[in-house]
Amino acid sequence: AQSVTQPDIHITVSEGASLELRCNYSYGATPYLFWYVQSPGQGLQLLLKYFSGDTLVQGIKGFEAEFKRSQSSFNLRKPSVHWSDAAEYFCAVVLYTGTASKLTFGTGTRLQVTL
Amino acid sequence: GAVVSQHPSRVICKSGTSVKIECRSLDFQATTMFWYRQFPKQSLMLMATSNEGSKATYEQGVEKDKFLINHASLTLSTLTVTSAHPEDSSFYICSARDRASGAPYEQYFGPGTRLTVT
Repeated sequence: AQSVTQPDIHITVSEGASLELRCNYSYGATPYLFWYVQSPGQGLQLLLKYFSGDTLVQGIKGFEAEFKRSQSSFNLRKPSVHWSDAAEYFCAVVLYTGTASKLTFGTGTRLQVTL
Repeated sequence: GAVVSQHPSRVICKSGTSVKIECRSLDFQATTMFWYRQFPKQSLMLMATSNEGSKATYEQGVEKDKFLINHASLTLSTLTVTSAHPEDSSFYICSARDRASGAPYEQYFGPGTRLTVT
C-alpha cells in the first residue's frame, strides 16, 4: 500500500545543533513530496517541496531536504537549529487512489529545542 | 500571495447544534478545496475534497450527512457540522489548490478552526 512514514515521533536538539528529520515513502513511481511545519494551534506552512529535477531541495527558514530514490526517503535537514524551530513537522506525499490524487501526511515529528 | 483564511478561528457550540466553518482563498481562485481534521497531537486526516459547483467527495468513514460541504464559488468552501456532539470537537483545517498554479498538487492551508462542542 502507498504510504508515508515518519519514524521519529519526538526529537530534542540543542539550539545551534544540526537537525535531520526522517521521512520514508512507499510508492511505485516518483512521488510529489512536501515538508510542512505546524506551530501549536496553527495551520500548516510549506517548508519545501520536490516534484522533479535536482534531488537537493532548498526551502524557507534555512531548511533543505534530499530526495533519495534508492532509499525511498525525503529527509529534512537544517545545519543549525533555532529555538523558534520548535514545532510539529509533517512529511506529505501525493498519492494516487486510482481515480484521484490526494495529499497524505505522515504522523508527524515533534521537535523540541533546548537552550 | 496564495493566502487561505478560515472563519471562525475558534468556536464553542452546544451539543445538538450546527456550526458552519468558512474557508476562503483570498488572492487566487480555487477549483478544488480540501477539508482535514486533526485530533490533538495527531496528523491531519483528509475528510473530503470539494470541487467548485459539484458535490464533495468524502473519504471512507466520514459521514456525509454530518459534515456538509459546499463549494459554491471559486473562492469559498464551507463545512457545516450538523447536530454536533462532543466527539466532533477537533481542529479543522482547509486547504485550496490554485487554479492557475503551475505547481501540481500543491495545496495552500488555512490557519485552522478549533471546534469545541460542550
